[in-house]
Amino acid sequence: SQTIHQWPATLVQPVGSPLSLECTVEGTSNPNLYWYRQAAGRGLQLLFYSVGIGQISSEVPQNLSASRPQDRQFILSSKKLLLSDSGFYLCAWSTSQTSGTYNEQFFGPGTRLTVL
Amino acid sequence: AQSVTQLDSHVSVSEGTPVLLRCNYSSSYSPSLFWYVQHPNKGLQLLLKYTSAATLVKGINGFEAEFKKSETSFHLTKPSAHMSDAAEYFCVGGVSGGGADGLTFGKGTHLIIQP
Repeated sequence: SQTIHQWPATLVQPVGSPLSLECTVEGTSNPNLYWYRQAAGRGLQLLFYSVGIGQISSEVPQNLSASRPQDRQFILSSKKLLLSDSGFYLCAWSTSQTSGTYNEQFFGPGTRLTVL
Repeated sequence: AQSVTQLDSHVSVSEGTPVLLRCNYSSSYSPSLFWYVQHPNKGLQLLLKYTSAATLVKGINGFEAEFKKSETSFHLTKPSAHMSDAAEYFCVGGVSGGGADGLTFGKGTHLIIQP
């Protein structure tokens, strides 16, 4: 069966410090990978998605970046955190789209980031 | 373009009574629709999905949803609420051909279960 891991589970960082969140998927090959942010009391905002190694699409201009160095590894980074980067970060994966349907996404447990 | 609207930001029911969480969608194409549940500080868990095979979809934990094209609705129901159902629920829509970023999330409904 497939599993998705995220770490760390919680993180408290000062403003201006760097960030690296990691997500890995097991039990599948060539998944689509996604990073979402969920601010307090808000819905989900898609930040980045990737359909293959080295292929990253950004949805929202910001001081965050993403990389996919391996097929089942997705990393979210920042060189200098802002207060507004605080939130709950979720990684998700899905299989590639098939004709006529949209495949569901499976979410990791999330990382709670607090920027002080 | 498509949109997903969850009609209630909060729903409160008593334990043992039915649950109804409402979701309307707007799409020019036949959508794929999903309901997810999120407990505090947890990831989203898929409850059920509709992909045009059957209009009544049964999911986990006793939840089900009915796709009504004439009403453009995909409401989530459960006959009898349990305390463990207290959580945030998201209705999500995807349009075929919309690309990997083609999912649209509703803003969520917070379900409160009164003892």
